[in-house]
Amino acid sequence: DTAVSQTPKYLVTQMGNDKSIKCEQNLGHDTMYWYKQDSKKFLKIMFSYNNKELIINETVPNRFSPKSPDKAHLNLHINSLELGDSAVYFCASSRRAGGKETQYFGPGTRLLVL
Amino acid sequence: AQSVTQLDSQVPVFEEAPVELRCNYSSSVSVYLFWYVQYPNQGLQLLLKYLSGSTLVESINGFEAEFNKSQTSFHLRKPSVHISDTAEYFCAVSESTGGFKTIFGAGTRLFVKA
Repeated sequence: DTAVSQTPKYLVTQMGNDKSIKCEQNLGHDTMYWYKQDSKKFLKIMFSYNNKELIINETVPNRFSPKSPDKAHLNLHINSLELGDSAVYFCASSRRAGGKETQYFGPGTRLLVL
Repeated sequence: AQSVTQLDSQVPVFEEAPVELRCNYSSSVSVYLFWYVQYPNQGLQLLLKYLSGSTLVESINGFEAEFNKSQTSFHLRKPSVHISDTAEYFCAVSESTGGFKTIFGAGTRLFVKA
């Protein structure tokens, strides 16, 4: 009965590879997010989708591409992985878009690029 | 654009002592304010939030925060901490004028010692 789930939980890969992280929420929410948390715990928004429409697209390398096949899923594909991509990536969801909404976070995907 | 500053990166405190985690924000419009908590190897969870009305908000586990508009602050307090409160605490702000983005502070690590 996990609310926001992410797979995989850990991802260790070589520089230059392409990888995907999947996120699913069973809360019936309209809005989903991807955040990157660096080694100093700083949390930065990357993307957000509302009803499958991209509404936040922060300044991230275009090697990162989100895809939302439906409201319950938001996947993150990363091409040509670099050392600096090593971080914890969190997916989150909220009932709707808007600043007053509580966000519900997944457990995170720990990505290590060697 | 909004911003948020957490003045302390780490706060060590003895069990049963009071604690205050400081948060200041900057915005040209009205804001919504949040405190999230992150336990080790987990995603963030909402602790409490201020949307409007009473400036003092409380959580179910004894934390409280007060919105102070004149000082642009939203400090988090607990009169008596437990070992289990050891975690990373994030203050977050979003704007009330239709923005979708929530900006997170850099986090404060609360370490409760026996």
